[in-house]
Amino acid sequence: NAGVTQTPKFQVLKTGQSMTLQCAQDMNHNSMYWYRQDPGMGLRLIYYSASEGTTDKGEVPNGYNVSRLNKREFSLRLESAAPSQTSVYFCASTPNTDTQYFGPGTRLTVL
Amino acid sequence: AQSVTQLGSHVSVSEGALVLLRCNYSSSVPPYLFWYVQYPNQGLQLLLKYTSAATLVKGINGFEAEFKKSETSFHLTKPSAHMSDAAEYFCAVRASGGSYIPTFGRGTSLIVHP
Repeated sequence: NAGVTQTPKFQVLKTGQSMTLQCAQDMNHNSMYWYRQDPGMGLRLIYYSASEGTTDKGEVPNGYNVSRLNKREFSLRLESAAPSQTSVYFCASTPNTDTQYFGPGTRLTVL
Repeated sequence: AQSVTQLGSHVSVSEGALVLLRCNYSSSVPPYLFWYVQYPNQGLQLLLKYTSAATLVKGINGFEAEFKKSETSFHLTKPSAHMSDAAEYFCAVRASGGSYIPTFGRGTSLIVHP
């Protein structure tokens, strides 16, 4: 049981490049989330998915898109990366019991 | 709407001293409250949660928190700090009956001196 996995762990992009952050969970959880963490800002919700086939915007969705490919996988795409998107990105899931399970994070730098 | 305020971005204690991390919340409906811990270069993990049962909640690693409705607070305590407690701590709130989307505070970094 791997829990929540994220790939890649680290990434450096140039402004304007695109990339997809991958997230998968093997706990059969319904809800999945993408957060970004910036110093002094806590965690801010980018997008979430309450169930397979549904996605909704969070607090800071601009510049991002998501896909809930199936119950296990929830990807985050940056179409045209900007320096303001330099951050640590966390994926999380929950079986709707109020405990969120977090992945180890992806550290993204946009030059 | 709900919000969380964590007082103090950094708290410094000596090993063996009391740990007190403060969290105040705002919620228009009865809240569910959480404390998460983040060790360096890791994701967050749940320390404890309050979901309308006992107001004093015990968590992992000797931490506990007390829900005080009159003070709208959910402070985290530990009687004796250990070096391994050094980490970032996040308080979170979500409205009972709502979607499973908590609102996180900005975090408090706990520094433990030998």
